[in-house]
Amino acid sequence: AQTVTQSQPEMSVQEAETVTLSCTYDTSESDYYLFWYKQPPSRQMILVIRQEAYKQQNATENRFSVNFQKAAKSFSLKISDSQLGDAAMYFCAYRMNYGQNFVFGPGTRLSVLP
Amino acid sequence: GAGVSQSPSNKVTEKGKDVELRCDPISGHTALYWYRQRLGQGLEFLIYFQGNSAPDKSGLPSDRFSAERTGESVSTLTIQRTQQEDSAVYLCASSPTGTASVDQPQHFGDGTRLSIL
Repeated sequence: AQTVTQSQPEMSVQEAETVTLSCTYDTSESDYYLFWYKQPPSRQMILVIRQEAYKQQNATENRFSVNFQKAAKSFSLKISDSQLGDAAMYFCAYRMNYGQNFVFGPGTRLSVLP
Repeated sequence: GAGVSQSPSNKVTEKGKDVELRCDPISGHTALYWYRQRLGQGLEFLIYFQGNSAPDKSGLPSDRFSAERTGESVSTLTIQRTQQEDSAVYLCASSPTGTASVDQPQHFGDGTRLSIL
């Protein structure tokens, strides 16, 4: 069974600084997709970034980028120039190429300090 | 275009009562998911619907939990004889398709916060 681990229950970052959130996963598949979701206090889950496992190039979305290490099964999220609005729970998620289930990690609570 | 809509947003009920939670997916989305999120924890998969196929119920924690979906529209999650351990936020999500575009993300509703007294 696939599992997703986020080893940092809580992280904090100073406004305008950079922070990296860790995610590792376990799978025997070679084709899959990885996602980072953000959940602010409003409870809404917001897609931050996605990565296709067959692509070697790391995905980027404005201030958000990932470091995808397929061999190490690692998928970390880097947030540059952190803003107060980035404060939220961040969930790493995995999905097989042919399956339906999304497997979510336990989340990392990010605080942004002014 | 409206997003995923869930109702009620909050529900408080007594232990032993039945509750019904509703999810209206984004129009045209064939895939619909239900998750449970306990306080301070991650998302726990409950059930998945894809079009008219048989649902994947592998995540339902007990036979007190059931869900239905009419075609590609509204879904209801029913919890019978509620227990205090059922207290959680129940999130619904939909996506355009289950298999043809597997990289499509899920679009989530705001969830229903269920509190069992």
